[in-house]
Amino acid sequence: DADVTQTPRNRITKTGKRIMLECSQTKGHDRMYWYRQDPGLGLRLIYYSFDVKDINKGEISDGYSVSRQAQAKFSLSLESAIPNQTALYFCATSGTGGIEETQYFGPGTRLLVL
Amino acid sequence: QQQVKQSPQSLIVQKGGISIINCAYENTAFDYFPWYQQFPGKGPALLIAIRPDVSEKKEGRFTISFNKSAKQFSLHIMDSQPGDSATYFCAALEYGNKLVFGAGTILRVKS
Repeated sequence: DADVTQTPRNRITKTGKRIMLECSQTKGHDRMYWYRQDPGLGLRLIYYSFDVKDINKGEISDGYSVSRQAQAKFSLSLESAIPNQTALYFCATSGTGGIEETQYFGPGTRLLVL
Repeated sequence: QQQVKQSPQSLIVQKGGISIINCAYENTAFDYFPWYQQFPGKGPALLIAIRPDVSEKKEGRFTISFNKSAKQFSLHIMDSQPGDSATYFCAALEYGNKLVFGAGTILRVKS
């Protein structure tokens, strides 16, 4: 089984709808991240969490919220989806061993907002 | 504004050739520089990384060259193969273990 899983893998929704993207990990990592990927812009950090009680805004948090339900689960919500939130969304995890800790990415969720 | 500037946006190389991707940064507080490789339909995966106190790091056909004074670093892929065709992202580690990514380079290796 994959260490970092994301559901759903693909989602089409309409403007104004609330949707949730879910991430689960079996790596035992404390740190989890949500990114969005857009062509020509790379990956941009939306939110991150260094433990269950810690939630921090990233570079582009407006229009998004997150929930860290457990060490292994980190969900991203779009309260009222808009077309410019159409993107590829990635969850990632990392350990706390220091500066050279690798971030491990899930397979991504492709979201289309009509 | 992109904190890590990556070029070129896309690159086509013949099989056996050398692929070179360049990145530049301004923030001198960055202290770790990884490269990630992403295949279609997959998430990015760490390829190779370097600390700023080292000028070069080599792992197999992949080499990072780092120029601290110029605030630039580059990825060289020697003997490029069709299986290397992917999107490559340079990144820099910001305070608090947050990665800042470049815009990405789509590499195609022609056989």
